[in-house]
Amino acid sequence: KAGVTQTPRYLIKTRGQQVTLSCSPISGHRSVSWYQQTPGQGLQFLFEYFSETQRNKGNFPGRFSGRQFSNSRSEMNVSTLELGDSALYLCASSHPEVNTEAFFGQGTRLTVV
Amino acid sequence: GENVEQHPSTLSVQEGDSAVIKCTYSDSASNYFPWYKQELGKRPQLIIDIRSNVGEKKDQRIAVTLNKTAKHFSLHITETQPEDSAVYFCAASKNNAGNMLTFGGGTRLMVKP
Repeated sequence: KAGVTQTPRYLIKTRGQQVTLSCSPISGHRSVSWYQQTPGQGLQFLFEYFSETQRNKGNFPGRFSGRQFSNSRSEMNVSTLELGDSALYLCASSHPEVNTEAFFGQGTRLTVV
Repeated sequence: GENVEQHPSTLSVQEGDSAVIKCTYSDSASNYFPWYKQELGKRPQLIIDIRSNVGEKKDQRIAVTLNKTAKHFSLHITETQPEDSAVYFCAASKNNAGNMLTFGGGTRLMVKP
């Protein structure tokens, strides 16, 4: 069974640009959550999508957005990038009806210069 | 919202000793408490979890205890091995699921051979 796959693994962007990250969940998992990991703030919840709907949202500005497709794949978008957006972005998928465990992808390392 | 505090931030033990990491949470509605291990450059992986209707859970050398009244939970690792060296994160969720986690700040565990 394939794990959670995130693409790309690494990205370098310039301040003011926008970026789109992709996450393919484990087959059958309909819940996809996104987290930002930085040395200073740790792991912070961004949002969760379930059946193409944003079900939960963390405390991040509106520059951070996401969506989920009918095959449960999810994308997150960050517009008007700031230096402080440099981080490891992790997505996690789960199948809440069967098991509560969240499985993480390897993450996308975003560097804003 | 939920706030999870984790202590200590770093922990150094000799191989074979025990290690204990403690977390406190603020929201009494939280009902699911997973622990993740993250090795350098890798994804977080679930090592054990506990729900609010259980006081203790054990899996080989790893155990977790939960005190709902005091709102704290702890990870215990016995007979530590060098491969236990990693960053450990505790987390809490209100959904009885792993789809929307509030993480503690992490503990860097170093096991010296």
